[in-house]
Amino acid sequence: NAGVTQTPKFRILKIGQSMTLQCTQDMNHNYMYWYRQDPGMGLKLIYYSVGAGITDKGEVPNGYNVSRSTTEDFPLRLELAAPSQTSVYFCASSVPPRPQHFGDGTRLSIL
Amino acid sequence: DAKTTQPNSMESNEEEPVHLPCNHSTISGTDYIHWYRQLPSQGPEYVIHGLTSNVNNRMASLAIAEDRKSSTLILHRATLRDAAVYYCILVYNNNDMRFGAGTRLTVKP
Repeated sequence: NAGVTQTPKFRILKIGQSMTLQCTQDMNHNYMYWYRQDPGMGLKLIYYSVGAGITDKGEVPNGYNVSRSTTEDFPLRLELAAPSQTSVYFCASSVPPRPQHFGDGTRLSIL
Repeated sequence: DAKTTQPNSMESNEEEPVHLPCNHSTISGTDYIHWYRQLPSQGPEYVIHGLTSNVNNRMASLAIAEDRKSSTLILHRATLRDAAVYYCILVYNNNDMRFGAGTRLTVKP
C-alpha cells in the first residue's frame, strides 16, 4: 500500500498565483485532513472531510478551498497565493477513532 | 480547547529509557491522549494512544496518571532513530487534533 501520497513535494509560487496541492489515499479511509506547519511550530488544521461530498473548516481555513468528489482524493486549492501561505502542507487520512496516517508533505514557498 | 504542555526539548543517551512528560490539566472525560512523533522532513507518525489505562505497543508505553491530568510516553531503549519531535495531543473529537510545539528529543550515541 502506498498510504497517503502528496504531490508535488516542492513548489515555488509567485504572489497572486494559484495552485492545487494533490492528496490521494489508497486505504479506503473516510476521513481526510489538510494541515499546515510553519517553521518550529506544530501542525494546524486547515480543512477536513468526513466523506465524499462533505467538507468542513478547521482552525485556519482562510485563503484555501477544498473539494472531496471521491473517497481517495482530497485536493487543496490556493486561489491567490500570499507570502503568509509559505509553509509545509500535510495531508492525512483516518477511520476514526483509529490514528491518522500522514503523507510526507508539500513544501511551498511563495515569493 | 483542552491543551497540553510539554518541555521544549529533552536529551537522552542511546539505549537508555526516555520518559517524555505531558501535562493536560483541562482534559475532559471523553478526551483520548494521543502521541505522535515527527522525524526530520517527514509527516507525523502515530506512536500510541490511551484513555485511562496504561498502554503498551511495540514502539512505546504510555503511562496515564490516575486523575488523567498528565501522562508520560516511555521509550524503553532509545535509539538514534528515535530522535524526533514528539507531540502529545488530546483528541476530543475525531475531526480536530490540535498540535502544540512538541518536545524535541535528541539521542546521543
